[in-house]
Amino acid sequence: DVKVTQSSRYLVKRTGEKVFLECVQDMDHENMFWYRQDPGLGLRLIYFSYDVKMKEKGDIPEGYSVSREKKERFSLILESASTNQTSMYLCASSLAGQDYEQYFGPGTRLTVT
Amino acid sequence: GENVEQHPSTLSVQEGDSAVIKCTYSDSASNYFPWYKQELGKRPQLIIDIRSNVGEKKDQRIAVTLNKTAKHFSLHITETQPEDSAVYFCAASRRGGADGLTFGKGTHLIIQP
Repeated sequence: DVKVTQSSRYLVKRTGEKVFLECVQDMDHENMFWYRQDPGLGLRLIYFSYDVKMKEKGDIPEGYSVSREKKERFSLILESASTNQTSMYLCASSLAGQDYEQYFGPGTRLTVT
Repeated sequence: GENVEQHPSTLSVQEGDSAVIKCTYSDSASNYFPWYKQELGKRPQLIIDIRSNVGEKKDQRIAVTLNKTAKHFSLHITETQPEDSAVYFCAASRRGGADGLTFGKGTHLIIQP
């Protein structure tokens, strides 16, 4: 059974703080993804990674960076949090190749005040 | 980049009736079209997907149809039940689950008893 976990379910941070969101998967998946989910906007891709130390920009990378030092862990970094980054953040992972689905983590609801 | 439009944003049907949710996409190179169901407070979960070499796929009460020429695909749920109440998202990608998904904005399906 695939398990994707995220470090926090709820997080409250102040404007200007550096924020780390962590995602861990236990199924040896090569691909990992970060999305943000906002009401009425669906899920939007921030960054993704096909392998350790590799990263690709998604549709809305501005204000974010990522780190993938180990295969099972993918971190999303908000260098200087702003109120417009208040959102639900969802991590996902999948096996390499086109035949496999993406599995999502439970999400982290981040509030920036 | 890809753009996915989803309609309607809210759909209310009587229990036992059918529900249809429609999506259109813009990138003719997209070849993978998953549907995710998200219950309140839970993570998105894949319920069915279709690839561009197939026109229709069924799984019990759920079916998905794809028209590549018109660039649209639809989710059909028959004999709806209370547990079908959720938000449904369509998505598209060029390389299956190995690529970042472009999501529609979601449809809130309400099953009326």
